[in-house]
Amino acid sequence: AAGVIQSPRHLIKEKRETATLKCYPIPRHDTVYWYQQGPGQDPQFLISFYEKMQSDKGSIPDRFSAQQFSDYHSELNMSSLELGDSALYFCASSYGTSYEQYFGPGTRLTVT
Amino acid sequence: AQKVTQAQTEISVVEKEDVTLDCVYETRDTTYYLFWYKQPPSGELVFLIRRNSFDEQNEISGRYSWNFQKSTSSFNFTITASQVVDSAVYFCALSEAGSGGSNYKLTFGKGTLLTVNP
Repeated sequence: AAGVIQSPRHLIKEKRETATLKCYPIPRHDTVYWYQQGPGQDPQFLISFYEKMQSDKGSIPDRFSAQQFSDYHSELNMSSLELGDSALYFCASSYGTSYEQYFGPGTRLTVT
Repeated sequence: AQKVTQAQTEISVVEKEDVTLDCVYETRDTTYYLFWYKQPPSGELVFLIRRNSFDEQNEISGRYSWNFQKSTSSFNFTITASQVVDSAVYFCALSEAGSGGSNYKLTFGKGTLLTVNP
């Protein structure tokens, strides 16, 4: 069965650079969620999209922005990267009222 | 505000022992969903189970079983006859029914690191 695809899987950036993370949900899933998991931490909700509209927002820094495109894939744009942005970034998708979020493998971002 | 507490930070058992991972949650909603996810050392998050607030039936899936008790706001997870491959971080999570649209964000507990030794 198709799963959530995230790219890239690993990314190394320097401070103050920008990064773009991509997420391709499971086919026919209309909702995408982004989570950030710092080292040894639990995943923290950043932002979600339903039918290409932002549906909810968590503790996402102003330096981050995201959108969902017409084909339902989503991109998380991160600017002015800081050392503290080093984390595992998960994308999850779900379909309507199924409530089960299926997670992608994550993108490991390292900021040096 | 929703909150999930996993009081056990780390648990270490010997293979074939049974182990129970505790999860206590707080929510003001009457409609909510509870989840367990497994995160092995490779890092991915693997969905294990979802339970809605109106379904207090316990569930068994192979060596896994879950005990949901609304009276104590707990959703505990038991692994029977543990195996080395069960070694992972296990997260309990809560989702409240949102105000509209599919905005059922997950609030995770801090996780329990389970180590199963041979």
